Parts: sequence; structure tokens; C-alpha cells
Amino acid sequence: EIVLTQSPGTLSLSPGERATLSCRASQIVSSNSLAWYHQRPGQAPRLLIYGASSRATGIPDRFSGSGSGTDFTLTISRLEPEDFAVYYCQQYGSSPYTFGQGTKLEIK
Amino acid sequence: EVQLVESGGGLVQPGGSLRLSCAASGFTFSSYELNWVRQAPGKGLEWVSYISSSGSTIYYADSVKGRFTISRDNAKNSLYLQMNSLRAEDTSVYYCAREESLYGSGSYHKVFDYWGQGTLVTVSS
Repeated sequence: EIVLTQSPGTLSLSPGERATLSCRASQIVSSNSLAWYHQRPGQAPRLLIYGASSRATGIPDRFSGSGSGTDFTLTISRLEPEDFAVYYCQQYGSSPYTFGQGTKLEIK
Repeated sequence: EVQLVESGGGLVQPGGSLRLSCAASGFTFSSYELNWVRQAPGKGLEWVSYISSSGSTIYYADSVKGRFTISRDNAKNSLYLQMNSLRAEDTSVYYCAREESLYGSGSYHKVFDYWGQGTLVTVSS
């Protein structure tokens, strides 16, 4: 199975700053089948990005995804208070679907 | 509005059984593939099982294969997860998630676009 490793484990930033989250796969992710979700405490995950770079419906354009092959990045251009959460990457190109261990984005 | 509502969680002893349900509304249930995803307390997400729209194709994670059974009733707009031989390591919040095919980056992508709020399963003596 494809193992996804996210870094950093925790990212401490202030509102208005730029956030860069990384997701590295143990094998090539076919067809850029890579998604990003965020999860606020006590809530279900929410889809942000799919196909490595396409924003899901209703996701603001401050969220952008990039990358291909084994290295992927989620960038949040200007952090809003509601963006502080845990972020997960997921590959859905190979069975079984797998998730990264998460990056916690916290307020500095 | 799309809604997925899980139920059936609770405290169960090791070796016991539990049946989770996920009631769906706001979309044509019979047209969608569905999944169960779980999250141990304070941990990350783990995909558990998949079922096709008709129920004819099913997949399981190795960690639950032979112990869990996924099923659906399209007439009742409901998804189920029968969990047998439960272990302490099965303790998690269990989410049902709808799988949608979305177009982007030049191709279609099958992703989890809606999730329920989850139901907690605790396996402990």
C-alpha cells in the first residue's frame, strides 16, 4: 500500500500568514489522485482539494494544491481563523485508499 | 441538502459484535458508492471498507477483513457495517463517507465529498 508522510507534524502560524503543508508518497500516486481534507475539532473531515490541484465546491481560492508523482503541497495563502485545524492528504489512485498522519495547523 | 447520519456505536467487550448504520438523505442514494472510514482517539484517518452503488463490489482493509461486513439497503437509503470479533484496536469514531466522481485536472477523480458526523465505538472490558 502507498504510505503518505505529511510534514510538518505541527505548524504554528498567525492569521494572515501563508501556510505550506507537504505530503510525500512512498510510491508514485497514479493520475495525481491526491486529495486534501481538513478537520476541525469534533467535526467530520471536509474535502478541500482533489486531483492534486482542483478546489472542491465552496472552497475559497486562498487554498491551492500542487505537485505530482510523489510530492504534493497544500498552500493557504492568507490564514483565516477558521483555517486552524488538522489537515490530511489522501491518495485514491491505488487500493487501499490511504491517508497521511495529518498536519496540525495551530495559532501562534 | 446531503446528510449522512451514523448510529449504533457504543461500548462493547472484546470479542463482541456491533452493527453500525448510516442513514442518508438529500441525494439519490442508489447512485453512489459509499465507504466507512474510522479514526482512533487522537489519531489519523483509516479507510475501512467500500461498497459499490449496487452492492455487488465490496472491499475491506486488511485490518478488518474477515471480521467486518459492509452492506446497504437502497430501498431504505441506508448503509451498514456489521462488526464481529471486535478488538481494543477497533476503538474509533466510525464515519460513513459518500464517494463522488469529480472532474478536474483533465480527468475524473473519485473522492469522499460528504461525511457523516461519526459514531463512537469503544471496545473495552
